[in-house]
Amino acid sequence: QVQLVQSGAEVRKPGSSVRVSCKTGRESFRSDVISWMRQAPGQGLEWMGGTVLVYNTIDYAQTFRGRVTITADEATRTVDMELSSLRPEDTAIYYCVAAGVLRDHYDSSVYSFDHWGQGTLVTVSA
Amino acid sequence: QSALTQPPSASGSPGQSVTISCTGTSSDVGRYHYVSWYQQHPGKVPKLIIYEVTQRPSGVPDRFSGSKSGNTASLTVSGLRAEDEAAYYCTSHAGSSNLIFGGGTKLTVL
Repeated sequence: QVQLVQSGAEVRKPGSSVRVSCKTGRESFRSDVISWMRQAPGQGLEWMGGTVLVYNTIDYAQTFRGRVTITADEATRTVDMELSSLRPEDTAIYYCVAAGVLRDHYDSSVYSFDHWGQGTLVTVSA
Repeated sequence: QSALTQPPSASGSPGQSVTISCTGTSSDVGRYHYVSWYQQHPGKVPKLIIYEVTQRPSGVPDRFSGSKSGNTASLTVSGLRAEDEAAYYCTSHAGSSNLIFGGGTKLTVL
């Protein structure tokens, strides 16, 4: 079981940015495929983007392109997600997720995700 | 509006079978074998129950099965149990850097 531990809840004002951190417990950091999902209150799930670390690829969903940045740090075994130009509708639980097995796909949107972080509530309010 | 279409609700009695549909297009469900299903109980983190249309992760009961025909994927839950009551979400790869979800189906065990 891969353990994913996310940073704590955040409150931000509209127009600002938020950075959510995800620490992976997988022994081989480079074999991770990490994506970020979000779920607004009472709503469904939405894929934001992800990274296949061994191929150094990062993909972003069209909806978030230009507002989201995903970065990986092997030294700290963390994958961070930063979302900018926040609006109230960005209020959601943000999940860090990891694929169970690395396959020969460099696009993270191909993978399914066996492991989920505990979620981080981001509230955007004036 | 979600990219994949799921019925908002489904129901069945204990022991019965229920099938939840997930309709996409020839650019996503119809084109790729990368359809997954997630189960989410209220207040809990989602759990992967089906990947690559028909595959079950280790530990998922074989009461859960997946299939696909044309642009529609389906999740069948056989031998319904009370603990199957949850929301179910389908996803599909939809081309480069594109993973799309259905709006979710709330399954009620009567």
